[in-house]
Amino acid sequence: DVVLTQSPLSLPVTLGQSASISCRSSQSLVSSDGNTYLMWLRQRPGQSPRRLIQIVSNRDSGVPDRFSGSGSGTDFTLTVSRVEAEDVGVYYCMQATYWPHTFGQGTILEIK
Amino acid sequence: EVQLVESGGGLVQPGGSLRLSCAASGFVFSSYSMYWVRQAPGKGLVWVAHISRDGSATEYADSVKGRFTISRDNAKNTLFLQLNSLTVDDTAVYYCTKGSDAWGQGTLVTVSS
Repeated sequence: DVVLTQSPLSLPVTLGQSASISCRSSQSLVSSDGNTYLMWLRQRPGQSPRRLIQIVSNRDSGVPDRFSGSGSGTDFTLTVSRVEAEDVGVYYCMQATYWPHTFGQGTILEIK
Repeated sequence: EVQLVESGGGLVQPGGSLRLSCAASGFVFSSYSMYWVRQAPGKGLVWVAHISRDGSATEYADSVKGRFTISRDNAKNTLFLQLNSLTVDDTAVYYCTKGSDAWGQGTLVTVSS
């Protein structure tokens, strides 16, 4: 199975500052169709996950442009600019290139 | 608006069975592969099973292979997960998801004696 390793696992951030989360894959996530099915999701406390970014860098509908995804191959980054209180939660990277799809361990973003 | 509503969770003894359902609305259910994902208390997300649009193909995580069965009724816009031979390690919230872009609220399965 593809292993996704996130860092850091805990990320205290000051309101208004930026935060970055890294996700490294044990193998390239480039699919045979040329797409890289690396997604980012957030799970707020007590809620279901919500996808924020699909295929590395494409924001889902309604996701603020403060959220951006980047990377290629095996190394990916989620950046949250101008962090707001509503951004707290656990962030997961997820790959859907191979079955079984897999998630990273999760990164807890909290406000300092 | 896409909606996924799970039901069927509860408390079951080790070795027991449950059948989870997921009622879908707001999209053409038969046009999408569907998935079950679970989350043990305080832990991360784990994919459990996948079913193709017409139900002809299924895939399972190794941890549930041979014990869980995913199925769907496209006429009733409903996804199912049959859980058999349950162990305490199967205790989790089970989410129904349309790929990763829409998730249900989850249903809690507790396996305990």
